Amino acid sequence: GNSVTQMEGPVTLSEEAFLTINCTYTATGYPSLFWYVQYPGEGLQLLLKATKADDKGSNKGFEATYRKETTSFHLEKGSVQVSDSAVYFCALSDLSQGGKLIFGQGTELSVKP
Amino acid sequence: NAGVTQTPKFQVLKTGQSMTLQCAQDMNHEYMSWYRQDPGMGLRLIHYSVGAGITDQGEVPNGYNVSRSTTEDFPLRLLSAAPSQTSVYFCASRGAGTGGEEQYFGPGTRLTVT
Repeated sequence: GNSVTQMEGPVTLSEEAFLTINCTYTATGYPSLFWYVQYPGEGLQLLLKATKADDKGSNKGFEATYRKETTSFHLEKGSVQVSDSAVYFCALSDLSQGGKLIFGQGTELSVKP
Repeated sequence: NAGVTQTPKFQVLKTGQSMTLQCAQDMNHEYMSWYRQDPGMGLRLIHYSVGAGITDQGEVPNGYNVSRSTTEDFPLRLLSAAPSQTSVYFCASRGAGTGGEEQYFGPGTRLTVT
């Protein structure tokens, strides 16, 4: 079945450091890929997405490229801020499975000043 | 436009009690779903609905019932609460499409079963 694997956290960085959170997936069809972010005490909100191979999603300085050959969708940001501290979830949606979202386990990011 | 709303925000139940978690959306979305969030396990799909009158099971449906009588509402019922159902529950909705659409999440209900 479809699945998503993320690097384990927590990840602790200093402000202005480079961020990478790894995400790989297994899917039988041609999924859309997403990164959702959850700030403390809140629900999830979409950070960025890509719907086909080689697409790059970007938002708020974050980027991720849909790599079909390596089945990956790694999240990157060149210079993190304290306000980026949150839990980040990689997810896929496969229409052959009814368009359900399948989530990775989440990666907690803590950015120190 | 309130988006996705959930009530209550917090709930404590005793083992064996039943309750309904409410979820409503005002975006005329056809697709609605319920997830539970447990530490280290991400979000797991409980039940989902692709339109009024149509529901289906997700990954972890045991102990939960749903119904969808209107487009707006998608309540989740716990039939006989167990400590294993202690979790944070999120409702989400999205428009119909090819699966690449954003899902909108409610603020969550934190449930404790003692």
